[in-house]
Amino acid sequence: SQQGEEDPQALSIQEGENATMNCSYKTSINNLQWYRQNSGRGLVHLILIRSNEREKHSGRLRVTLDTSKKSSSLLITASRAADTASYFCATSTQGGSEKLVFGKGTKLTVNP
Amino acid sequence: NAGVTQTPKFRVLKTGQSMTLLCAQDMNHEYMYWYRQDPGMGLRLIHYSVGEGTTAKGEVPDGYNVSRLKKQNFLLGLESAAPSQTSVYFCASSGDRGRSGQPQHFGDGTRLSIL
Repeated sequence: SQQGEEDPQALSIQEGENATMNCSYKTSINNLQWYRQNSGRGLVHLILIRSNEREKHSGRLRVTLDTSKKSSSLLITASRAADTASYFCATSTQGGSEKLVFGKGTKLTVNP
Repeated sequence: NAGVTQTPKFRVLKTGQSMTLLCAQDMNHEYMYWYRQDPGMGLRLIHYSVGEGTTAKGEVPDGYNVSRLKKQNFLLGLESAAPSQTSVYFCASSGDRGRSGQPQHFGDGTRLSIL
């Protein structure tokens, strides 16, 4: 069963613009992670935000978490063509085994 | 630093054949995972392991078996392949026991077609 659901499913922007992707989930979480997947490659971890955090930054990435709304957003500022990829949110709902449940992803296209 | 290595990268099987997918990690990670990725479905967890000699079922375990005889290796087996198992399979690993909230490191996948 999918826990996280990303919105939109696809997003096309111009280089230099900001890209915002949203993730909603259903049950209480320990943490929420965002991953990027380039075409034909494995997923790469971008950022992790814990349930007691509201916002985190990493370079051009900004992630927010609203546990009351069970939602998160990923903002990529000043996007580049190299940011073209699929982006997935993943939630951890129990400790110890470190299992993640992934959403279906947002496909981002950044046009030069 | 190889990270997570999956072999083979591509494979075509006939229905009913068996095969084993190999995953190796060189980061001394405790946890390892097998996922499948189908179009429009995201990643779904097949089986996982919390340490050498342990395995557990994930969301979609039917038709698959796994073994973790060595800490660095996690094998995924298909005993009798079916067309519904056509997919891209990803292996991942993550870090230290007792530390919560760690990122998973992924291999580049095995693209498996069952005819």
